[in-house]
Amino acid sequence: DIQMTQSPSFLSASVGDRVTLSCKASQNINKYLAWYQQKLGEAPKLLIYNANSLQTGIPSRFSGSGSGTDFTLTISSLQPEDVATYFCLQHNSWYTFGAGTKLELK
Amino acid sequence: QVQLQQSGTELVKPASSVKISCKASGYTFTSNYMHWIRQQPGNGLEWIGWIYPGNGNTKYNQKFDGKATLTADKSSSTAYMQLSSLTSEDSAVYFCATELAYWGQGVMVTVSS
Repeated sequence: DIQMTQSPSFLSASVGDRVTLSCKASQNINKYLAWYQQKLGEAPKLLIYNANSLQTGIPSRFSGSGSGTDFTLTISSLQPEDVATYFCLQHNSWYTFGAGTKLELK
Repeated sequence: QVQLQQSGTELVKPASSVKISCKASGYTFTSNYMHWIRQQPGNGLEWIGWIYPGNGNTKYNQKFDGKATLTADKSSSTAYMQLSSLTSEDSAVYFCATELAYWGQGVMVTVSS
């Protein structure tokens, strides 16, 4: 089974900061990686698919990069509404989610 | 626009079964995979399985094989998941998600005597 490791588990940042979240796969998953944002009490929302493609309607401050085993989600300028937990998902072999990064405002 | 409307909160007894629904609209129900995902309290997300409503084909996470049964009704564009032999470990929020892109609001299932 492919394991997905996200880091950090918790992140505190200020409005306007550039924020980088990491997701590492236990084996090569090519670019079969998605990023989701989940706010408290809501369903996850797809942000990025195929590692670096922005989902329709998602602000351009969100971007994804990486391939193989190492992936990054970047928020170029953190906004208050970005407070949420962020999950990665690999779908190269079955489907495995990372444990999430909880993003808070400093 | 794509919408997935799930059924309401369930409080069920141990050893029983529950069937939750996911009504789709805004896209071609039969041409897209419907996935089901579990989120236990304070925990992350686990993929349960998918169904392809066009032909009824299913694929399950081995962990949920025998626990979850996925079906779909093309006439009403509704997907279903039945969970059987429930224990407290099955208490969670269950989501449906078409192509893992659009998600329902989730159904909280609580297993308690």
